[in-house]
Amino acid sequence: QKEVEQDPGPLSVPEGAIVSLNCTYSNSAFQYFMWYRQYSRKGPELLMYTYSSGNKEDGRFTAQVDKSSKYISLFIRDSQPSDSATYLCAIYGNNRLAFGKGNQVVVIP
Amino acid sequence: DTGVSQDPRHKITKRGQNVTFRCDPISEHNRLYWYRQTLGQGPEFLTYFQNEAQLEKSRLLSDRFSAERPKGSFSTLEIQRTEQGDSAMYLCASSPGPVGIYEQFFGPGTRLTVL
Repeated sequence: QKEVEQDPGPLSVPEGAIVSLNCTYSNSAFQYFMWYRQYSRKGPELLMYTYSSGNKEDGRFTAQVDKSSKYISLFIRDSQPSDSATYLCAIYGNNRLAFGKGNQVVVIP
Repeated sequence: DTGVSQDPRHKITKRGQNVTFRCDPISEHNRLYWYRQTLGQGPEFLTYFQNEAQLEKSRLLSDRFSAERPKGSFSTLEIQRTEQGDSAMYLCASSPGPVGIYEQFFGPGTRLTVL
């Protein structure tokens, strides 16, 4: 079983819609949960991270962690064409990041 | 803005050749990481350094791969006798320590193509 599972299916939404992304993880010992954004042929950029369970909001972005179900989510409100990118969930543990496969998001103007 | 930099950005080589990549981390970041990313996958951990000490290597890092961070600043990743399966994006990241050790900042990557 992989440490982080992220359904890699692409997602197309109209501008202004809410984007909902999620991952599951297997190791309950991990405490830091990250979301990275990666534009084509670029390195991943840290969007936000959450420690333990709960919500964290940063502008139009909200990250949620439910440790009881080992489920992490990212919501993007009022999506913009500039949000079109691949979004990677990751968990930090054992001195490294373990990533999901990523979701390619396309926001259509 | 002096983020993580990597050189070269692209490398095309023939099978069997050796290649070396360089990574310059964010100044004063103690930890430096190497990851590999193939198409449609998330980055996979290869190795990391705490200052100049290489503390962990993934099983993905075969004996053809070697990484160094001689003075605890920049790092190099060398691949000897390249194979077509080595074609990937090689990403470097750095993080401060000990506070914020989990916040890894990535460079733009080196895209390797082995013909």
